[in-house]
Amino acid sequence: AQSVSQHNHHVILSEAASLELGCNYSYGGTVNLFWYVQYPGQHLQLLLKYFSGDPLVKGIKGFEAEFIKSKFSFNLRKPSVQWSDTAEYFCAVNNYGGSQGNLIFGKGTKLSVKP
Amino acid sequence: NAGVTQTPKFQVLKTGQSMTLQCAQDMNHEYMSWYRQDPGMGLRLIHYSVGAGITDQGEVPNGYNVSRSTTEDFPLRLLSAAPSQTSVYFCASSYQGAPFNEQFFGPGTRLTVL
Repeated sequence: AQSVSQHNHHVILSEAASLELGCNYSYGGTVNLFWYVQYPGQHLQLLLKYFSGDPLVKGIKGFEAEFIKSKFSFNLRKPSVQWSDTAEYFCAVNNYGGSQGNLIFGKGTKLSVKP
Repeated sequence: NAGVTQTPKFQVLKTGQSMTLQCAQDMNHEYMSWYRQDPGMGLRLIHYSVGAGITDQGEVPNGYNVSRSTTEDFPLRLLSAAPSQTSVYFCASSYQGAPFNEQFFGPGTRLTVL
């Protein structure tokens, strides 16, 4: 069965620090990859997605992610975090060609940014 | 467009009670799904539907029923609530058949079972 691993449960950073959140998945076939963000008390919003092409994907709010197929990884990065980035971040994978639409989520990484 | 809407926002039930969580979308999406979110567990798929009249089980379907009589609506029924069903429930929808599968999420229903 597919699985998604997010390495960090809780990350605490100061403003302007750089961010990298790890994500690894277990499926060996063609995959679609996503990062969602959940701000406190809100629903999930899409940050960025990868389907094919350039493995470096840029999303909203200055976030980017790099797909490394050989490492089954899709790490999320931001060069300089802000207090408003405090949220929980979820990596998700869908195996293209499988049960359409079904996403497998990681357990999430909570990011706290200190002002 | 309202997107994906869910009602109620909050609900408290006693063990054994039944209730229906409502979900509707106005984007004409074929695919709809229900997830539950528990601390440290991420989101887990309960049930999903690829179109009106078609539903299937996800990862954690026990204790929940769904039906899909229209494209717009996808209610989730708890037949006999248990404390283990205390959770936040999210409904999501997306286009079916595209390779993109970007899902749009509703605001969630926070359910407490006493």
